[in-house]
Amino acid sequence: SQTIHQWPATLVQPVGSPLSLECTVEGTSNPNLYWYRQAAGRGLQLLFYSVGIGQISSEVPQNLSASRPQDRQFILSSKKLLLSDSGFYLCAWSVRGRTEAFFGQGTRLTVV
Amino acid sequence: KNQVEQSPQSLIILEGKNCTLQCNYTVSPFSNLRWYKQDTGRGPVSLTIMTFSENTKSNGRYTATLDADTKQSSLHITASQLSDSASYICVVAANFGNEKLTFGTGTRLTIIP
Repeated sequence: SQTIHQWPATLVQPVGSPLSLECTVEGTSNPNLYWYRQAAGRGLQLLFYSVGIGQISSEVPQNLSASRPQDRQFILSSKKLLLSDSGFYLCAWSVRGRTEAFFGQGTRLTVV
Repeated sequence: KNQVEQSPQSLIILEGKNCTLQCNYTVSPFSNLRWYKQDTGRGPVSLTIMTFSENTKSNGRYTATLDADTKQSSLHITASQLSDSASYICVVAANFGNEKLTFGTGTRLTIIP
């Protein structure tokens, strides 16, 4: 069966520090991968999506970047965090040709 | 630009009452539409999927409708329970081969006793 792992679950980082959130998927090959952010009381905002290794599409200009070094690994990064980067970050995957997205448990990021 | 808009942004109803959530989309070419439920602090989970040819689909107390002509969908919750308190997100897939999903911003539903 397919599973998605996202870590860490919670993170408190000072302003200006770097960020690296990792997401891995097991049990499937060549998935579409997504990073979403959900600010407090707000809906999901698509940040990045990837249809293959090294293929990253950015939905909104921001202080973040994403990379896909391996087929089932998706990394969200920042060189210098801003207070506005605080939020709930969700990784998701979907199978090519199917449209149900499966979400990780999320990372609660607080920038202080 | 593909967009999905949901209304209302938030809704508070008494336990046992019914409610209807709305979703309007401009995604093209349309593949399908899903409703997700997201409990606080958790990832969303799919409730139901609607394809182009389907008008109504039920999943327990949840009933989704789709009008592909007007590009509107609704999610009706019957006899609400406290556990229905969550965000409900409408997600539309475009049929490009590598479907990209377009998410609505969700409706925050609160059920009060």
